Amino acid sequence: ETGVTQSPTHLIKTRGQQVTLRCSSQSGHNTVSWYQQALGQGPQFIFQYYREEENGRGNFPPRFSGLQFPNYSSELNVNALELDDSALYLCASSLATGYTDTQYFGPGTRLTVL
Amino acid sequence: AQKITQTQPGMFVQEKEAVTLDCTYDTSDPSYGLFWYKQPSSGEMIFLIYQGSYDQQNATEGRYSLNFQKARKSANLVISASQLGDSAMYFCAIRGTGNQFYFGTGTSLTVIP
Repeated sequence: ETGVTQSPTHLIKTRGQQVTLRCSSQSGHNTVSWYQQALGQGPQFIFQYYREEENGRGNFPPRFSGLQFPNYSSELNVNALELDDSALYLCASSLATGYTDTQYFGPGTRLTVL
Repeated sequence: AQKITQTQPGMFVQEKEAVTLDCTYDTSDPSYGLFWYKQPSSGEMIFLIYQGSYDQQNATEGRYSLNFQKARKSANLVISASQLGDSAMYFCAIRGTGNQFYFGTGTSLTVIP
């Protein structure tokens, strides 16, 4: 196990609702990245947080937002849920932000939007 | 931008045999890292092996090795002595000087007893 934890493990919401997903990074890691993985696809980068600041964002609309806390845990918030938001949401932590820094993933949160 | 291509949607291998999973990449960054992850049906992405663009030798981690051919822009994963527990999705990923990993579409590996 990596030491990265995510909650909840599963979630069912209806279209238009809002959701908050949580992630605790591995001890000593100050960088957290969030990914969306649709069924049958590879993970797609949503954004990254480094020392509580957003440090890069993928091609996702503003209704996807996040936070990182002083203990480096993180939240992903999604507003106005759409059916296409149904996916596995993965959180990954790393020591830093260099290209050599391996990201270690949590078990993911499966979100279903009805 | 970076791009990863995995052309094998599904692969089968006999238990105890070796298997190679293909990965080609495209990047304009002079420095980059290549990663392989395993994703069992439970969903968690498990880190397997890393290769840096300036590393002279191919990376190895236990039964995993990475066949890195920089000129051909390929980073194939070799799994030796396959085990039933190796059945999973395998993803190749690249990270350049930006902050994000770019993943391929994955290869589903099935180990046959």
